[in-house]
Amino acid sequence: EAQVTQNPRYLITVTGKKLTVTCSQNMNHEYMSWYRQDPGLGLRQIYYSMNVEVTDKGDVPEGYKVSRKEKRNFPLILESPSPNQTSLYFCASSLVNGELFFGEGSRLTVL
Amino acid sequence: LAKTTQPISMDSYEGQEVNITCSHNNIATNDYITWYQQFPSQGPRFIIQGYKTKVTNEVASLFIPGDRKSCTLSLPRVSLSDTAVYYCLVGVTAAGNKLTFGGGTRVLVKP
Repeated sequence: EAQVTQNPRYLITVTGKKLTVTCSQNMNHEYMSWYRQDPGLGLRQIYYSMNVEVTDKGDVPEGYKVSRKEKRNFPLILESPSPNQTSLYFCASSLVNGELFFGEGSRLTVL
Repeated sequence: LAKTTQPISMDSYEGQEVNITCSHNNIATNDYITWYQQFPSQGPRFIIQGYKTKVTNEVASLFIPGDRKSCTLSLPRVSLSDTAVYYCLVGVTAAGNKLTFGGGTRVLVKP
């Protein structure tokens, strides 16, 4: 089954404790991206990647890092999480110029 | 970077047609228009995509006028299960292109 898998789905952590949200897709898509969704603000792009070792900033990259060492994986790294990064995060993938396929989301709470 | 404007919410009744407009004055020549549907606690999922004129699939129609500065998503004969948030996305997953979702339109279908 074609899918985008995110882990963990739910996480509560404390300020400053590094964490990684993993994202994996099995559709051989070149394009992958991360979004955060906050009430009233819709979906905002954090980072995107056109292919392996090619990443670029979206609209809200501050406080986040990403890497794309393999085509199928695109982890989101929060080196020192802060409460304002409490949000619902979505990973998505697509062929270039194609429709986005989203994961089920990862709800992160930073205390 | 194409900014989109959609109504915040719309109410409808089962069996009616729902039309959601999206304005995007600064759409670029190579931008596509894509609509996504999102249910609570789920990732958005693709509904329809178009570039110009009219596109129809098994769930919706997308009308795009000649100047491409707006579009209308049409959902025929909605049911209760169509209650969701609908996002208009203007852009293309290409190098150098951030993708910005608008705030979405919350559609409530009543019995």
